[in-house]
Amino acid sequence: EDKVVQSPLSLVVHEGDTVTLNCSYEVTNFRSLLWYKQEKKAPTFLFMLTSSGIEKKSGRLSSILDKKELFSILNITATQTGDSAVYPCAGSNSGYALNFGKGTSLLVTP
Amino acid sequence: GAGVSQSPSNKVTEKGKDVELRCDPISGHTALYWYRQSLGQGLEFLIYFQGNSAPDKSGLPSDRFSAERTGGSVSTLTIQRTQQEDSAVYLCASSLVQYPGQGEKLFFGSGTQLSVL
Repeated sequence: EDKVVQSPLSLVVHEGDTVTLNCSYEVTNFRSLLWYKQEKKAPTFLFMLTSSGIEKKSGRLSSILDKKELFSILNITATQTGDSAVYPCAGSNSGYALNFGKGTSLLVTP
Repeated sequence: GAGVSQSPSNKVTEKGKDVELRCDPISGHTALYWYRQSLGQGLEFLIYFQGNSAPDKSGLPSDRFSAERTGGSVSTLTIQRTQQEDSAVYLCASSLVQYPGQGEKLFFGSGTQLSVL
């Protein structure tokens, strides 16, 4: 059975800190690993990773995939209070459904 | 509208009642998904519609759950004889692309918070 496990499940940091969120996966016929940001209810897309070792970057956020060890990390540098959200990752295979982890709940305090 | 619209945003119902949740996808998006998120859990796939093809219902948890999509646009998720374990946020997403697993192309609505008392 496919599964996606995220750690930590929750995290509290101070503004300006750097955080690393972890996502390990076991997905049959793996195609890609996706990261989302979920504020309130609607997840919004951050990154899609298909190749090992190639960093995707958007502003203060970056992510990388290790297909040998079956995990991905999401880094956020110089955190701001607006980064407070849940960050789910999801594994994608050849089917229609994404297999989501429970998400990491990040709280950035002033 | 510009995004995926879901209604109602909140629904409180009594155990045993039927509920209908509505999703209005982005205009022109042929793919439509329903996901469910229970408290403290990840998003769980329920059902997928693609154009006029037969839907992929493999994620529906029981025969009390059904969904339809009329005219290739608006979708309704129906839960019959609701149970307390049905309490969750029900999220709809739509996509322009027709290929499976293209998660970067998904646009989610704000969800319906269902509470079964």
